[in-house]
Amino acid sequence: AQRVTQPEKLLSVFKGAPVELKCNYSYSGSPELFWYVQYSRQRLQLLLRHISRESIKGFTADLNKGETSFHLKKPFAQEEDSAMYYCALGDAGNNRKLIWGLGTSLAVNP
Amino acid sequence: NAGVTQTPKFRVLKTGQSMTLLCAQDMNHEYMYWYRQDPGMGLRLIHYSVGEGTTAKGEVPDGYNVSRLKKQNFLLGLESAAPSQTSVYFCASRGTGRGTEAFFGQGTRLTVV
Repeated sequence: AQRVTQPEKLLSVFKGAPVELKCNYSYSGSPELFWYVQYSRQRLQLLLRHISRESIKGFTADLNKGETSFHLKKPFAQEEDSAMYYCALGDAGNNRKLIWGLGTSLAVNP
Repeated sequence: NAGVTQTPKFRVLKTGQSMTLLCAQDMNHEYMYWYRQDPGMGLRLIHYSVGEGTTAKGEVPDGYNVSRLKKQNFLLGLESAAPSQTSVYFCASRGTGRGTEAFFGQGTRLTVV
């Protein structure tokens, strides 16, 4: 079954500390993986996608097919990173659905 | 660039009332989705559409209906609102092609009293 697991509901770190938000997936086939961010009371917006291998706002994520993971990392957290982060798995079928994790709320404390 | 626009942004309904949420996208996307977002439950798919004139059920379709008469619009209807439908509703659209992102509307905060 296709599934996305984000084991941490809440993650609290201090400004300047490294942060890692975990995402594990279950998918038979070649996965499409995304990280979306939702700032307080705003719409969800794309942060990263695995095919781009880019760094956005200092965040990176590497697809590890062996561990079926796509963890989001940032070496030095900033207060403005406080938000809800969702990991999503793209269904390559004809409905193009996204399968969502439950999200991790990141709080960066001063 | 408007992207994905939802109307209304806020609404309070009495139990049993009906309403329609409108989602409009200007990116010529084939795929459109309606989600509800509740604390601790992430995003749950209500209904979706793979093209004009098509609709399909998602994870939590009961109590909702949808229509996609025009490619750019995806309507979500509540025929008889219930307090359990108090939620934030998000519409999204997505293009074809591997790795394409989903674009979201700003959300509709609905309270049913």
